[in-house]
Amino acid sequence: AQSVAQPEDQVNVAEGNPLTVKCTYSVSGNPYLFWYVQYPNRGLQFLLKYITGDNLVKGSYGFEAEFNKSQTSFHLKKPSALVSDSALYFCAVRDTGRRALTFGSGTRLQVQP
Amino acid sequence: SAVISQKPSRDICQRGTSLTIQCQVDSQVTMMFWYRQQPGQSLTLIATANQGSEATYESGFVIDKFPISRPNLTFSTLTVSNMSPEDSSIYLCSNLDRGLLNTEAFFGQGTRLTVV
Repeated sequence: AQSVAQPEDQVNVAEGNPLTVKCTYSVSGNPYLFWYVQYPNRGLQFLLKYITGDNLVKGSYGFEAEFNKSQTSFHLKKPSALVSDSALYFCAVRDTGRRALTFGSGTRLQVQP
Repeated sequence: SAVISQKPSRDICQRGTSLTIQCQVDSQVTMMFWYRQQPGQSLTLIATANQGSEATYESGFVIDKFPISRPNLTFSTLTVSNMSPEDSSIYLCSNLDRGLLNTEAFFGQGTRLTVV
């Protein structure tokens, strides 16, 4: 069975500072990893994905994520946070045996001005 | 990217009644999913909506409570039946284009349901 863990319920960062939102996963085969963001009263928006290839993937709004196979992690990063980045972030995984996504518990990012 | 439209966007319903949520995708897709997001929680898969056949439900979800239809490739409905306050959640539909593992899923804006 596949699973995703987001160990932090909330991450606080000052505007202009780098941010990291953590994610670890467990799958039986090769992982397909995704990050989504949810703004209040909105659906989920896709940010980026790792399928294969370079361990550092770049996505929307300046976000990037680093895949680490040995640590089974896929942490979301951004070099300089904006107040408008404040939202709920979900890590999700899909493996070869299941088409539906399995989501982590979510991490609320709060960027202070 | 697919555009997924859900309606209603929100509703307040009396306990014991039913609500049907509609989901329309702007392109032909092979897989559609329904998720529930309870207050302050993550997304939990309710079922996979199969075109022309019965939906495939996840553990803890049953057809009598959450009947799903998918009459064609671009449209699906989820009904929340005999509602109780515990059903108050956001319900989201999602697609997977051509059922490909390496493609991202897109989501509707969600239906925020409050049961009183």
